Amino acid sequence: GQSLEQPSEVTAVEGAIVQINCTYQTSGFYGLSWYQQHDGGAPTFLSYNGLDGLEETGRFSSFLSRSDSYGYLLLQELQMKDSASYFCAVRDTGRRALTFGSGTRLQVQP
Amino acid sequence: EAGVTQFPSHSVIEKGQTVTLRCDPISGHDNLYWYRRVMGKEIKFLLHFVKESKQDESGMPNNRFLAERTGGTYSTLKVQPAELEDSGVYFCASSKGLAGGGEQYFGPGTRLTVT
Repeated sequence: GQSLEQPSEVTAVEGAIVQINCTYQTSGFYGLSWYQQHDGGAPTFLSYNGLDGLEETGRFSSFLSRSDSYGYLLLQELQMKDSASYFCAVRDTGRRALTFGSGTRLQVQP
Repeated sequence: EAGVTQFPSHSVIEKGQTVTLRCDPISGHDNLYWYRRVMGKEIKFLLHFVKESKQDESGMPNNRFLAERTGGTYSTLKVQPAELEDSGVYFCASSKGLAGGGEQYFGPGTRLTVT
């Protein structure tokens, strides 16, 4: 089976940097994605890692270590609009289905 | 480019009734997925279409759920008869045929309440 673990809540202040960790267990790992979801909204794709290392997209970066079954999402220069839930999701080899973690609720305070 | 659209946005039905959810993917996206989030839990995969064919339906909970994708365009998800535990938000997502990563474009979801 597959399982993902990520913290349930994180709080940070505007302008700060926050890291959301994700560990996973899966039988045929292909890649790790990150999605953002505002309350009542659609999950929105943020980043994808298929290989070890860091992927940077503007203020957001994502890291993957396949040997450690671990990844993280790094959000820099936090803004109030970044308050949302963040989900890591794994894709297995041979499938396109995503298995989501339970989500991390980020609250950005002024 | 229009995003993924879903209809209705909300549906309230009684236990035992039938509900049909509709999803229109982004034009040109061969892959269409259904997911649901039940009672604030994690988003769970239901099934995956490639064009009109069911590629992976391993997440469908039981035979009360029927998904179709007519002509490889829009898709419907029918729940018949609905049970209380079916309440949740049903998301549709789509992706291009050669998308190598985990990038899927999600619709706003249909919030289903079974009473």
